Amino acid sequence: EVQLVESGGDLAQPGGSLRLSCGASGFIFSDHWMDWVRQAPGKGLEWVGHIKKKSEGYATQYAASVRGRFTISRDDLKNSVYLQMNSLKIEDAAVYYCADLGTALWGQGTLVRVSP
Amino acid sequence: DVVMTQSPVSLPVILGQPASISCRSSQSLIYSDGNTYLSWFQQRPGQSPRRLISKVSSRDSGVPDRFSGSGSGTDFTLKIGRVEAEDVGVYYCMQFAHWPPTFGQGTKLEIE
Repeated sequence: EVQLVESGGDLAQPGGSLRLSCGASGFIFSDHWMDWVRQAPGKGLEWVGHIKKKSEGYATQYAASVRGRFTISRDDLKNSVYLQMNSLKIEDAAVYYCADLGTALWGQGTLVRVSP
Repeated sequence: DVVMTQSPVSLPVILGQPASISCRSSQSLIYSDGNTYLSWFQQRPGQSPRRLISKVSSRDSGVPDRFSGSGSGTDFTLKIGRVEAEDVGVYYCMQFAHWPPTFGQGTKLEIE
């Protein structure tokens, strides 16, 4: 079955860190760009960033709102993509989805809460 | 960033009646390869977004044919032929012709 499964969501304090993981199965993971998209409670969708394939140097791009604080990485041997979130802010609280925006594939999301 | 503006924000519809959602972009979404990278997503309550349409009008596998997409340049439309109860949720347009990808603010479809 083709799927993406996120994990790692938790409660963090402002200024703290969290690392989200996303495991892929059922497709050739290494051939795909992978994205992270978030959705604050009751709000719309916001693209966070993406990581390209090995042949493209695993290049990453980020939304301005997270650049310098968040880092996306991947491990093609483990069919996984990661989102390292540092210097968390209250406004980073959201459900975080990993997705391949070039296809129809989205995970179920993982909830990040940021509160003192 | 490309601004995506959807209308209406709220869409009450009678079961069995058609529905239409508009999406306008602040720049043309025609990419250098000639494709127009405009997608539509459906998010049912409590679920992840699900892509319905890519490249303006290509329905994804398993999407009922009552959903159709049209448009060009900066003006796009999602139409639902006859609304069913399972269509309740929020609909988003998204562009990735320009970096960064951006979403519309969403249109909430509800049964009247």
